[in-house]
Amino acid sequence: DIQMTQSPSTLSASVGDRVTITCRASQRISGWLAWYQQKPGKAPNLLIYKASSLESGVPSRFSGSGSGTEFTLTISSLQPDDFATYYCQQYHSYPWTFGQGTKVEIK
Amino acid sequence: EVQLVESGGGLVKPGGSLRLSCAASGFTFSSYSMNWVRQAPGRGLEWVSSIRTSSTYIYYADSVKGRFTISRDNAKNSLYLQMNSLRAEDTAVYYCARAQRVTYCTTTTCNNYYYYYYMDVWGKGTTVTVSS
Repeated sequence: DIQMTQSPSTLSASVGDRVTITCRASQRISGWLAWYQQKPGKAPNLLIYKASSLESGVPSRFSGSGSGTEFTLTISSLQPDDFATYYCQQYHSYPWTFGQGTKVEIK
Repeated sequence: EVQLVESGGGLVKPGGSLRLSCAASGFTFSSYSMNWVRQAPGRGLEWVSSIRTSSTYIYYADSVKGRFTISRDNAKNSLYLQMNSLRAEDTAVYYCARAQRVTYCTTTTCNNYYYYYYMDVWGKGTTVTVSS
């Protein structure tokens, strides 16, 4: 199985900060990676697919990059609505696997 | 509006069974692969199972293989998850999710290709609690 490791697990930041979350795959997955945002008590919401493609309706302050085994999600200017938990997920091969999540907290 | 609505969750004793349903609307259900993903209390997301459009290909996580069965009824725009031999560790919110298909061509003429799928629409989830 492909292991997905996110860092950091928790991130404290202020409104307006630039935030970067890293996701590493235990083997090469090309660009078959998605990023999701999840707020407490809510379903995950797709932000990015194919490592860097922005899902329709997602604000442009979100961006993704990377290929192979190293990926990043960047929020260019953190907004109050962005405090949430973020997950990466590989869909290169089954079983699909998620990172453990990164909680973005208010500093 | 594209919508997925899960139902069928509840409290069940260890060893018991439960059948989850997911009602789809706002899109052509028969054209999309579908999935179940779960989240144990206070934990991360775990993919459970996937089913292709005509049920020809089905995949399961090792943690549920042999106990859970995914199925779909395209005429009813519905996805199901039959869960048997339930354990305490199956306690979770279960989400139904639609998958978008991407075609990856390995040649310029695309006479050899692969399909990849990512989950773009999620339901609100239904809670399953396994406890005596």
